Amino acid sequence: NAGVTQTPKFQVLKTGQSMTLQCAQDMNHNSMYWYRQDPGMGLRLIYYSASEGTTDKGEVPNGYNVSRLNKREFSLRLESAAPSQTSVYFCASSVWGQAHQPQHFGDGTRLSIL
Amino acid sequence: LAKTTQPISMDSYEGQEVNITCSHNNIATNDYITWYQQFPSQGPRFIIQGYKTKVTNEVASLFIPADRKSSTLSLPRVSLSDTAVYYCLVGDIQGYNTDKLIFGTGTRLQVFP
Repeated sequence: NAGVTQTPKFQVLKTGQSMTLQCAQDMNHNSMYWYRQDPGMGLRLIYYSASEGTTDKGEVPNGYNVSRLNKREFSLRLESAAPSQTSVYFCASSVWGQAHQPQHFGDGTRLSIL
Repeated sequence: LAKTTQPISMDSYEGQEVNITCSHNNIATNDYITWYQQFPSQGPRFIIQGYKTKVTNEVASLFIPADRKSSTLSLPRVSLSDTAVYYCLVGDIQGYNTDKLIFGTGTRLQVFP
């Protein structure tokens, strides 16, 4: 039982390159989330998917797109990477999307953009 | 908007009890209080949740006074492995509100031998 799996764990990109971060959960959860965490800051919500087939913007969506491929998978795409997007990206899932539902997190993708 | 306020950092020694307080003056009737723990290079991990009074599990206790404007996470007899960042979140049980998914900077707990 892996929980939430993120790939890749590390990635270095050049400015302007594109990349898709993958996330999969095996807990049969309905809701999934993408956060970014910058040094000295808490987690900021980029996008979320309350249920399969729906996606909505969070606090910092600019420069990102998402796809809820199926109930298990939720990907985050950077179309044209910028140095300001250097961060650690976390994917999470919960049974449902109410804000009180405990979230289960992956171990993150560390992304550096040169 | 139920904004939360926590101390930026705390220090403790092994074997001591640690209490981390979170202030949430604007908490709404339908809001629950949830605490997460984050170790370096890992994602946050849910540790405890409560609505009122006291909740205890194998990891921690959560104390919530009657007015619910604050809550205290209590870690009994901490060890070096409890060194982490602790986040307090306030979330509701009704509609989906991303304003409630603001983790903030948390409290960085450092445990010394």
